[in-house]
Amino acid sequence: DVVLTQTPVAQPVTLGDQASISCRSSQSLVHSNGNTYLEWYLQKPGQSPQLLIYKVSNRFSGVPDRFIGSGSGSDFTLKISRVEPEDLGVYYCFQATHDPNTFGAGTKLELK
Amino acid sequence: QVQLKESGPGLVQPSQTLSLTCTVSGFSLTSNSVHWVRQPPGKGLEWVGAIWSGGSTDYNSALKSRLSISRDTSKSQVFLKMNSLQTEDTAIYFCTRGGRGYWGQGVMVTVSS
Repeated sequence: DVVLTQTPVAQPVTLGDQASISCRSSQSLVHSNGNTYLEWYLQKPGQSPQLLIYKVSNRFSGVPDRFIGSGSGSDFTLKISRVEPEDLGVYYCFQATHDPNTFGAGTKLELK
Repeated sequence: QVQLKESGPGLVQPSQTLSLTCTVSGFSLTSNSVHWVRQPPGKGLEWVGAIWSGGSTDYNSALKSRLSISRDTSKSQVFLKMNSLQTEDTAIYFCTRGGRGYWGQGVMVTVSS
């Protein structure tokens, strides 16, 4: 199975700062059809996960442009510029290229 | 609008079988996949399995021997059945539409005698 390694485990931030989360895969996430199915989710306490980014860098409907996904192959990054209070929570990367699909272990974005 | 809602027993005894239902609206099961994801208390997300628009299924390797996902397209329902439950299966179980932009609220399942 594909293992997704997220770093850091926790990211203390000051509101208004930039945050960056890394997700590294144990194998390339490029599908045979040429697409890379790497997604990012935010889960706030007591809520269902919410999709932020799909196919590496595409923002889901309604997601602010301060969320930027990038990367290729097996190395991916989510950047959040100008962190706002509603951005706090746990971020997960997820791959849907290979079966079975897998999640990273999560990165908690918290106030410094 | 797109909606998903999980339902099932809140408490299941060890070694018994879990049966959950995901009732969907606003989209067709013959055009979209539905995935199950679970989250043990205080822990991360785990992909459980999926049923694709054509009716085929994929499962988490670690759960495959105990898991079955099926559907009734006429009722817009997807079913999860997992047997030989253990305390480690205690979790919130979510269903989500393929593409994962839409999620149910989740249902808490506790495995305990």
